[in-house]
Amino acid sequence: DTEVTQTPKHLVMGMTNKKSLKCEQHMGHRAMYWYKQKAKKPPELMFVYSYEKLSINESVPSRFSPECPNSSLLNLHLHALQPEDSALYLCASSPDGKETQYFGPGTRLLVL
Amino acid sequence: AQSVTQLDSQVPVFEEAPVELRCNYSSSVSVYLFWYVQYPNQGLQLLLKYLSGSTLVKGINGFEAEFNKSQTSFHLRKPSVHISDTAEYFCAVTHGGGKLIFGQGTELSVKP
Repeated sequence: DTEVTQTPKHLVMGMTNKKSLKCEQHMGHRAMYWYKQKAKKPPELMFVYSYEKLSINESVPSRFSPECPNSSLLNLHLHALQPEDSALYLCASSPDGKETQYFGPGTRLLVL
Repeated sequence: AQSVTQLDSQVPVFEEAPVELRCNYSSSVSVYLFWYVQYPNQGLQLLLKYLSGSTLVKGINGFEAEFNKSQTSFHLRKPSVHISDTAEYFCAVTHGGGKLIFGQGTELSVKP
């Protein structure tokens, strides 16, 4: 089973709202990732958690705040977003953070 | 630094015809190579990967790819495409450090 789940599927929020995206995997993978994908573009890496510790932050604005409560769960807390933050947010996981990444279906975010 | 070039942004092809999607990479170290497919409004699905061993890799849905170290290429092929293969295809590379570098994507459009 190589399933990564993400909730919600769709999210509409105003610029003053606070919301969270959730990602879950039960494959025993030790690395988890957040990506942002704009239309017709490849995914852009935002954050990497390895063994529940933040290992890579690709200079993401502080209005995006990741959290890894345990090895199966990854959250992305959103606050004071801008309309240009509207995108598909993808979560991925990999067994050891070194090679194959498995992606979830994504959350499509619209910021009004 | 690593980079990935997908030589064709769009590939139109008729149903049951063969197709090749081209991918070239540059890296000063050994790499792992991947092809992902993204259907409209979905996440990325792993098609196939090259980690080591045989340079001809077979994946899901009848796709295969050949790793050519001397030409730094990892082209994706399918002998006979179906309408359902219409999607965006991403080539990606990593040296195992946790960051996956994507190409710009190739839009495969299969026409009846």
